[in-house]
Amino acid sequence: DAGITQSPRYKITETGRQVTLMCHQTWSHSYMFWYRQDLGHGLRLIYYSAAADITDKGEVPDGYVVSRSKTENFPLTLESATRSQTSVYFCASSESRTGVNTEAFFGQGTRLTVV
Amino acid sequence: AQKITQTQPGMFVQEKEAVTLDCTYDTSDQSYGLFWYKQPSSGEMIFLIYQGSYDEQNATEGRYSLNFQKARKSANLVISASQLGDSAMYFCAMREYRGSTLGRLYFGRGTQLTVWP
Repeated sequence: DAGITQSPRYKITETGRQVTLMCHQTWSHSYMFWYRQDLGHGLRLIYYSAAADITDKGEVPDGYVVSRSKTENFPLTLESATRSQTSVYFCASSESRTGVNTEAFFGQGTRLTVV
Repeated sequence: AQKITQTQPGMFVQEKEAVTLDCTYDTSDQSYGLFWYKQPSSGEMIFLIYQGSYDEQNATEGRYSLNFQKARKSANLVISASQLGDSAMYFCAMREYRGSTLGRLYFGRGTQLTVWP
């Protein structure tokens, strides 16, 4: 099916463990994004990628690692999970054309709880 | 400094009335795009409307319109004839098309809209 999918949808992990959230899109969009959503903070950009092998930090990158070896995949890894990383994580993708509507398409979100 | 500011944490409107959700943005670029998204309680992000910085007319999509005031750097969303199903969180977002932050998509903190009968 065409679209953008995140996995898992729900995850509970322990403090200090490494956890990877997966994101896969089928449109061959060049841009991909990772956001975290917390009450009172809206969506904050963690990392984004303009193309395969090109990634850049967003507003809150500390404690996270990303990679993009293929255009369609953009995994987000929490190297050593902390309770402050308990959040809902959204992946998004978009085209890269300038000056026209380049709306971002969002995955369903991953609810991560760190205990 | 915040790129996107939404000053209304919550708004209430009666069914069939119009409501305006405020959004101001901060950028030094001349080329950028402004977006509004809706997030119902089910959690998905739904794109509503887009306005380009060079667009001379305000964008409209059905009951949604974007009141774009470039000099004030505001991009308010107007929902006409509110419906109960409009109750949701609404996010304003901006994308810069030039410079070192090319392609970044910033979001505000959102406004929770409640429509009452």
